[in-house]
Amino acid sequence: QSALTQPASVSGSPGQSITISCTGTSSDVGGYNYVSWYQQHPGKAPKLMIYEVSNRPSGVSNRFSGSKSGNTASLTISGLQAEDEAHYYCSSYTSSSTLFGGGTKLTVL
Amino acid sequence: QVQLVESGGGVVQPGRSLRLSCAASGFTFSNYDMHWVRQAPGKGLEWVAVISYDGSNKYYADSVKGRFTISRDNSKNTLHLQMHSLGVEDTALYHCAKEGPYSPHAFDIWGQGTMVTVSS
Repeated sequence: QSALTQPASVSGSPGQSITISCTGTSSDVGGYNYVSWYQQHPGKAPKLMIYEVSNRPSGVSNRFSGSKSGNTASLTISGLQAEDEAHYYCSSYTSSSTLFGGGTKLTVL
Repeated sequence: QVQLVESGGGVVQPGRSLRLSCAASGFTFSNYDMHWVRQAPGKGLEWVAVISYDGSNKYYADSVKGRFTISRDNSKNTLHLQMHSLGVEDTALYHCAKEGPYSPHAFDIWGQGTMVTVSS
């Protein structure tokens, strides 16, 4: 049960777009369309931003989008805003368990 | 409103036990699978365990298998995590999280967490 691989940090300026990758294996990310993305601000509980690779829950901005190719999933945030600065975690279902990525710190410059 | 509130955390010596609880409100608790997810200080999220909506199926992370037991009381809208043989590596903020309704493997509601510190 190794964690999914995410870059430790990404950054971008307001208005720009950034993409966070999440790499797993054919047993998790590549094998199921059950990839989710969570946003976590300091001291807060995680918030679901994307489910089933590319779907947004009600209330989540359409600036957030998800995709997947093979064993790698991606979260793209367009039109970066200051409030997007947070940690982002991917997760994937895998054979009766859930794997999380190590997390990516997004800095809005 | 829909919420999850954890309790039961604290400071415990290595090798001891602790029982966490998670009180659910604002939704039909018995309809959803429930999870425990932990976060060590300054670290990322780690999935711990899941229990099916009716309590019939339970699965655990390898790191806690044989030491932790997840359970639920649907009559009291409460989720539990019994932890035995605690080690320093179990020090973390423990969140309970609800699956669905968007997807069977996405957590749409999280509690704020209860802190467990294992230290001598």
